[in-house]
Amino acid sequence: EAGVAQSPRYKIIEKRQSVAFWCNPISGHATLYWYQQILGQGPKLLIQFQNNGVVDDSQLPKDRFSAERLKGVDSTLKIQPAKLEDSAVYLCASSLDTDGSYEQYFGPGTRLTVT
Amino acid sequence: GEDVEQSLFLSVREGDSSVINCTYTDSSSTYLYWYKQEPGAGLQLLTYIFSNMDMKQDQRLTVLLNKKDKHLSLRIADTQTGDSAIYFCAELWNNAGNMLTFGGGTRLMVKP
Repeated sequence: EAGVAQSPRYKIIEKRQSVAFWCNPISGHATLYWYQQILGQGPKLLIQFQNNGVVDDSQLPKDRFSAERLKGVDSTLKIQPAKLEDSAVYLCASSLDTDGSYEQYFGPGTRLTVT
Repeated sequence: GEDVEQSLFLSVREGDSSVINCTYTDSSSTYLYWYKQEPGAGLQLLTYIFSNMDMKQDQRLTVLLNKKDKHLSLRIADTQTGDSAIYFCAELWNNAGNMLTFGGGTRLMVKP
């Protein structure tokens, strides 16, 4: 079974520029998550989708971050404009949820450096 | 509660057992997880335990849960150099969604 795919793997931009990340979850997984992992810290949830609806976006800085999951499959996360403190690894995860364990499977992440 | 705490660093010798500890604050958490992260990689789920259990064993891994003290531990038997990584514990909140709250991670270094 293919895992969670993310692209690009690395991105370097200047502050105030825009950037977008893409995620393709495991086939059949209804729930998709975006996490931000700052160096030396654990991942922090930014947004959670179930199919194409938002379940939780309470920790998403909505003045600059946006995310969508059209058709309930792939998702994109955008930052516009980027700030220095947005430098982090952005992890996408997906889960099946119908098996009762809520196991989340993570992609390799996109490492963003804002200069 | 939202704080999941872990010690920052653990060093062991190859062949010894490693014990990584975690404290959490939400007594209503339903599942507790252990993830492993190697350099430049995403998080790999190692094991999880349901909150009504106090122990789970899976090959070299043993998870112990003390609900009274809100303490979770991961024991790795016969630790190998390939076990060197950062280990994260996480708790699941079944609130509006299924939100995972992670600790800051424990870096395990295994010396030959």
